[in-house]
Amino acid sequence: KQEVTQIPAALSVPEGENLVLNCSFTDSAIYNLQWFRQDPGKGLTSLLLIQSSQREQTSGRLNASLDKSSGRSTLYIAASQPGDSATYLCAVPDNYGQNFVFGPGTRLSVLP
Amino acid sequence: ETGVTQSPTHLIKTRGQQVTLRCSSQSGHNTVSWYQQALGQGPQFIFQYYREEENGRGNFPPRFSGLQFPNYSSELNVNALELDDSALYLCASSSNRVGTEAFFGQGTRLTVV
Repeated sequence: KQEVTQIPAALSVPEGENLVLNCSFTDSAIYNLQWFRQDPGKGLTSLLLIQSSQREQTSGRLNASLDKSSGRSTLYIAASQPGDSATYLCAVPDNYGQNFVFGPGTRLSVLP
Repeated sequence: ETGVTQSPTHLIKTRGQQVTLRCSSQSGHNTVSWYQQALGQGPQFIFQYYREEENGRGNFPPRFSGLQFPNYSSELNVNALELDDSALYLCASSSNRVGTEAFFGQGTRLTVV
């Protein structure tokens, strides 16, 4: 059964710092991995989708890497801004390839 | 803006009542999945609908049921509401091709009192 963990659970940094969020999964036979952002009480916004054949994806100040063999992904946020404050969730499809298993999220606060 | 819309945005119900939540999928998507997110936790998969048929179910009791319509919109019904059903309910829309991106709605916040 696929399980996803995220470290750290919470992170508070001053504006401008570069930071790394970590995601681990137990079953390396995944089709893809998706990173989401969630603002308090809101839905999920897709940030990056990495296919199993890819090692990384970039979108603006965000870069996500994937190491299937070790069951890890990292989300790198460059030059953090207060508007980046949110919870970041990673998710991988379950063993049937379609429905997501989510991590508990990392709650990020970027202080001005 | 993902094109996935959910209604209502907020709802308060009494224990024992029934509730129906609605989701309109993104254009071109034939698969809708429902998730329950308790406060401070990641979303938990409830079930998925593909072309009007249930296509997988998580660890939720039968009082959680659903429908998908020919236009691929979907409903989540919960009977005999319990206090623990209080959560954010999220709907995700995707095409039923492995490896495709899923898009989520803004969620419905259900409070059971």
